Amino acid sequence: QSALTQPASVSGSPGQSITISCTGTSSDVGGYNYVSWYQQHPGKAPKLMIYEVSNRPSGVPDRFSGSKSGNTASLTISGLQAEDEADYYCSSYTSSSKGVFGGGTKLTVL
Amino acid sequence: EVQLVESGGGLVQPGGSLRLSCAASGFTVSSNYMSWVRQAPGKGLEWVSVIYSGGSTYYADSVKGRFTISRDNSKNTLYLQMNSLRAEDTAVYYCARVRAGFDPWGQGTLVTVSS
Repeated sequence: QSALTQPASVSGSPGQSITISCTGTSSDVGGYNYVSWYQQHPGKAPKLMIYEVSNRPSGVPDRFSGSKSGNTASLTISGLQAEDEADYYCSSYTSSSKGVFGGGTKLTVL
Repeated sequence: EVQLVESGGGLVQPGGSLRLSCAASGFTVSSNYMSWVRQAPGKGLEWVSVIYSGGSTYYADSVKGRFTISRDNSKNTLYLQMNSLRAEDTAVYYCARVRAGFDPWGQGTLVTVSS
């Protein structure tokens, strides 16, 4: 199972919006609505930010949104804040009943 | 409160074995899907294994045949038995409940494979 493809880094200024892409195949991202996104600050455990493509867990700001088109899922963060600076990972269920993560994207808030 | 606490990490020589534990509170391990995810130093997240509520288990190709995921219903605890350890298995190992996403996560336990 190959890792999902994410850009290594993205950046934006406070108040701006950024989008992180996550590209897989029809055997994972494109085949199921079980795409999730995680935020990880240095030295901390990952935190679920989006599940089932576009759903936010309780407590996650509505500045975070998710979507999917074909084999590519996206995470959009609007109204960037300094505390959003972190690593972000996507994940998907796969046709082999396993899981797979993306390589991770480092978000820098300028 | 739903919580996961891992233990069992440490330093082990190549070829050695280690068993990780993940104690759950606030929910029943056997009624949920549970996974192990690892993160090598400075690297990204890597899915390792899952055990479904029915008992089916699946593994990443990188650990298949060497690692075994299991659970003890009486202790409400998830395990990962790791055998034939290699240097490339060095990582922080996290357990997580799987419910349309991995949530919650434990704090992680560091496994270092080195001579």
